Amino acid sequence: DAKTTQPNSMESNEEEPVHLPCNHSTISGTDYIHWYRQLPSQGPEYVIHGLTSNVNNRMASLAIAEDRKSSTLILHRATLRDAAVYYCILRGLSQGGSEKLVFGKGTKLTVNP
Amino acid sequence: GAGVSQSPRYKVAKRGQDVALRCDPISGHVSLFWYQQALGQGPEFLTYFQNEAQLDKSGLPSDRFFAERPEGSVSTLKIQRTQQEDSAVYLCASRGGIPRSPLHFGNGTRLTVT
Repeated sequence: DAKTTQPNSMESNEEEPVHLPCNHSTISGTDYIHWYRQLPSQGPEYVIHGLTSNVNNRMASLAIAEDRKSSTLILHRATLRDAAVYYCILRGLSQGGSEKLVFGKGTKLTVNP
Repeated sequence: GAGVSQSPRYKVAKRGQDVALRCDPISGHVSLFWYQQALGQGPEFLTYFQNEAQLDKSGLPSDRFFAERPEGSVSTLKIQRTQQEDSAVYLCASRGGIPRSPLHFGNGTRLTVT
């Protein structure tokens, strides 16, 4: 499975933008870039995904480098509720066609009031 | 609508006991996944079902771990002769039939083996 590299932790202030980086230099042409986040004592939740073009949804934006070897998750205005571990995951076909997610350690985001 | 439901929320077992963890996926979701999450780590894949068929069990750590989904809906993860290293949060996720659609996770069962 293709691997991703993320900083262990980041800090932000409330109502400021947050840029969470992810490196994935071994990405293959068919791998989608997915982001999930995990709030304390909860299961992971889907945030956003993309293939080549930048993507926006109500939660966040995803900026993908032209060579696809890196991406950045952008939270436009951080709130206290955004404090979580953010996982950047490459998702392609795998055994049995499951498209299973392979998680790394993620980035723990702290949001200061 | 209702999300993925897991029970029990917490389970304490003595070493050597068998445990059964239940997952109720979102109604109609074809795919079901089990993950294990140790403290401070990301979730690790255990096994995958498509309907009642277990198509990938490459992540099961030993033959003490067994999962089933006999009617293609509810799934049970069973751990026999629990060991202390089995202490973790066990997460279940389901997904609909559209390719690349997101996984929906439950809040997990925290298993503590004493």
